[in-house]
Amino acid sequence: EDQVTQSPEALRLQEGESSSLNCSYTVSGLRGLFWYRQDPGKGPEFLFTLYSAGEEKEKERLKATLTKKESFLHITAPKPEDSATYLCAVLPRRALTFGSGTRLQVQP
Amino acid sequence: SAVISQKPSRDICQRGTSLTIQCQVDSQVTMMFWYRQQPGQSLTLIATANQGSEATYESGFVIDKFPISRPNLTFSTLTVSNMSPEDSSIYLCSVGGDSNQPQHFGDGTRLSIL
Repeated sequence: EDQVTQSPEALRLQEGESSSLNCSYTVSGLRGLFWYRQDPGKGPEFLFTLYSAGEEKEKERLKATLTKKESFLHITAPKPEDSATYLCAVLPRRALTFGSGTRLQVQP
Repeated sequence: SAVISQKPSRDICQRGTSLTIQCQVDSQVTMMFWYRQQPGQSLTLIATANQGSEATYESGFVIDKFPISRPNLTFSTLTVSNMSPEDSSIYLCSVGGDSNQPQHFGDGTRLSIL
């Protein structure tokens, strides 16, 4: 059975304090791994797609990396506007399987 | 990416009634998906809706409870039938996913059942 586990469940950072979110997965053949950001009252907003181990993607203060068993979302010098829930999803065959998310709060 | 609009954005319904949620996309798309996000939980796929064919339902979801229509390449509806308090959730529409590309989501319909 395909599984996605995200850790930590919640993370509180001070502005400027860098950290990483983890997404561990077990799938029968990975066709893609996706990171989304979800703000309260909104749908998930697409951030990154990673397709193969060793791949990295960057956008502003965010950097996503992928190994054969897990992905990391690194947040460098976060700002309060980075506060959101970050969701990881894998595509083993045709349907996305989501993790439970990491709720990030960045305090000024 | 496509602009996805869902209606209604929220509703409060009585037990035993049904509600139809609409999803409109500003461009033609092949694949449309319906998800449920229960309070404090992540997203669970209900079904995949492709134009011109019956929807494909995931384990635990049945057509009698969640009938779906896909009349054209820009529109789909999800009906939540004979609602109970356990159906209180956010229902999200998404598009994309072709050739392993990312899906993009609407802002959801927040449904509360009394």
